Amino acid sequence: KAGVTQTPRYLIKTRGQQVTLSCSPISGHRSVSWYQQTPGQGLQFLFEYFSETQRNKGNFPGRFSGRQFSNSRSEMNVSTLELGDSALYLCASSTIGQGSTYEQYFGPGTRLTVT
Amino acid sequence: GNSVTQMEGPVTLSEEAFLTINCTYTATGYPSLFWYVQYPGEGLQLLLKATKADDKGSNKGFEATYRKETTSFHLEKGSVQVSDSAVYFCALNAGNNRKLIWGLGTSLAVNP
Repeated sequence: KAGVTQTPRYLIKTRGQQVTLSCSPISGHRSVSWYQQTPGQGLQFLFEYFSETQRNKGNFPGRFSGRQFSNSRSEMNVSTLELGDSALYLCASSTIGQGSTYEQYFGPGTRLTVT
Repeated sequence: GNSVTQMEGPVTLSEEAFLTINCTYTATGYPSLFWYVQYPGEGLQLLLKATKADDKGSNKGFEATYRKETTSFHLEKGSVQVSDSAVYFCALNAGNNRKLIWGLGTSLAVNP
């Protein structure tokens, strides 16, 4: 079974631009979560989607948004990029429902650099 | 609120040494506990998990026991290898959702 895939792997953007990152979950996984990883703040939860609806949200400004499609693929968007948005963005997928132990499987991440 | 505290690194060991990475948590209810590993340049991989008190998770020679009385989930391995060099993250999931709360990670370097 293929793992979680994320595209692109690397991205360089300029302050003020916007960016869209993509994530394809493991086949059969309906939940997709996004995390930001930085050296200073560590791993921080951005949001989670399943059934095309945002279910949980972390403490990030409204510039960070996401969506999920009917095939469970997800995208996250960051508008008006700031230097502090430079980070590794990780996507994770999980099963849901009764019997799920909520363990998450991560993709390789997208390394975003804002200049 | 919920939180995870890990011992600070970096930890440097010689091959075949014994490893302990401490992890303690604060959470309401009965969280599930996880250890993830991140090898250089890669994403996170689930190493092991425990979902209730006294459970022992194990994988690839690593072990961790869910201790509710001490709110701990320390990671151990009896004999580390150079290939174990990575960053190790302790995490918890509390409540009926998939939001993981993370420790800051502990970097491990194993020298031959």
